[in-house]
Amino acid sequence: QVQLVESGGGVVQPGRSLRLSCVESGGFQFGSYEMHWIRQAPGKGLEWMTRISFDGANREYADSVKGRFTVSRDNSKNTLYLEMNSLKIEDTAIYYCVRQWRMVRGVFGYWGQGTLVTVSS
Amino acid sequence: DILLTQSPTSLSASVGDGVTVTCRASQTIDNSLHWYQRKPGRAPELLIYSANNLQRGFPSRFRGSGYGSDFTLTISNLQPEDFATYYCQQSYTSPFTFGGGTKVEIK
Repeated sequence: QVQLVESGGGVVQPGRSLRLSCVESGGFQFGSYEMHWIRQAPGKGLEWMTRISFDGANREYADSVKGRFTVSRDNSKNTLYLEMNSLKIEDTAIYYCVRQWRMVRGVFGYWGQGTLVTVSS
Repeated sequence: DILLTQSPTSLSASVGDGVTVTCRASQTIDNSLHWYQRKPGRAPELLIYSANNLQRGFPSRFRGSGYGSDFTLTISNLQPEDFATYYCQQSYTSPFTFGGGTKVEIK
């Protein structure tokens, strides 16, 4: 069974940095699938942030985080990362680590429970 | 970016009712439209993929349809466990976008 567990959330001041991690512990061949980060701000809908290909060679970002956030992965550790720099108040959200559905690009098959990031002075 | 417009934003229905949620894309997206169910305090779950394919584990009272730019999620014979928020999402092109959500509440 696919199990994704995020960590690294917390309270951070505007302009500071934070790194999120997501570990897959269900043994589903982590290194074979593209991964995403998706967030939901309080009272808002779901917003896709970034995608990384199975081998880390290709990455895509939403305009709202391009240049500030960096996605990476370590397949030897079954771990996905999100490095968040120059954080803004509007980055406050629950951040979900998500695995693609089967091998279908852009379909979100498995979700972690999320980690809360609060950007506040 | 492709805009997905969901309607209604919320609806009230009774157990046993049938309901319909629509999702309209700002351009054609073939069948690259997926639906997710979100219950309070839980992560979303993939409900229907590629417009009309029911994800394993969900009952057949959920049905998706549509192609191009107009899509529909139909729930027949609503059950207590179906009261949730439903989101559509397109994978036709990046950035992958979501509809605003439809909250299905108990009348």
